[in-house]
Amino acid sequence: GAGVSQSPSNKVTEKGKDVELRCDPISGHTALYWYRQRLGQGLEFLIYFQGNSAPDKSGLPSDRFSAERTGESVSTLTIQRTQQEDSAVYLCASSLAGTSGYSYEQYFGPGTRLTVT
Amino acid sequence: AQKITQTQPGMFVQEKEAVTLDCTYDTSDPSYGLFWYKQPSSGEMIFLIYQGSYDQQNATEGRYSLNFQKARKSANLVISASQLGDSAMYFCAMREGGGSTLGRLYFGRGTQLTVWP
Repeated sequence: GAGVSQSPSNKVTEKGKDVELRCDPISGHTALYWYRQRLGQGLEFLIYFQGNSAPDKSGLPSDRFSAERTGESVSTLTIQRTQQEDSAVYLCASSLAGTSGYSYEQYFGPGTRLTVT
Repeated sequence: AQKITQTQPGMFVQEKEAVTLDCTYDTSDPSYGLFWYKQPSSGEMIFLIYQGSYDQQNATEGRYSLNFQKARKSANLVISASQLGDSAMYFCAMREGGGSTLGRLYFGRGTQLTVWP
C-alpha cells in the first residue's frame, strides 16, 4: 500500500515568510509525528497527534511553529516568520496504536527539505 | 542528559564481515522500546529492528541482530555479512512509556557506516 507522503519535497523561502508543510499518513494509522533533522544530525521530535487526544507539542522549538491534523488524516506543519536556523529536513511519520508487546514502528515519509535564505 | 548515545560517528567494514554499531540509552522508565533505523543517502528512514525492554531474547531480523544488555543499558546493532548496500547512516532510538506503543522517539546522532569491497 501507499506509504507516508509529504509535500513539497523541497521548499526554498525567504527569511520572514511563512511556510506550510503537508503530511499524508498511511491509511489507518492513528498516530502522526513530526520530526526535524538538521544537516548531519539525528532527528529532533516536534509534535505528535493521536486520535482525538490533545497533541503532544512539547518538542516545538518556538511559538512560530504550529501543526494541525484533520481527524486521522492529513497534517500540516506551519512555520511563521521563518529564520535561517529553521533550515532542515522535516520528516513526518505515522504508526498504528495497540497494546504493548509489539513494535508498532513509526513509518517515515521522504521528508521536506526546507531552505531559508 | 542524552537519552540515546551513539559514540561512533563513523565505522568502516569490509564486505562480508560483521560489524557492531554501539548504542547506549538512559531512562528511568521500566517499560521502553529500542529501535534501529537506517538512513541511506536518499534520506528515507528505514526501520530495521525492535527490542522491547521486557523481551527475554535478543531481537533478530535477517542479517540484523540487537545485542541487548539491559543492566548496561546498551542496545548494539550487529550486522552480519555486510553488503555494499549497507552503507548508510544508522540511528538508534528509544520510545518510553509503560504499556503503550505510542509516543515520541528519542534519536541518537547516528553512525555513518561505510562498507568497502
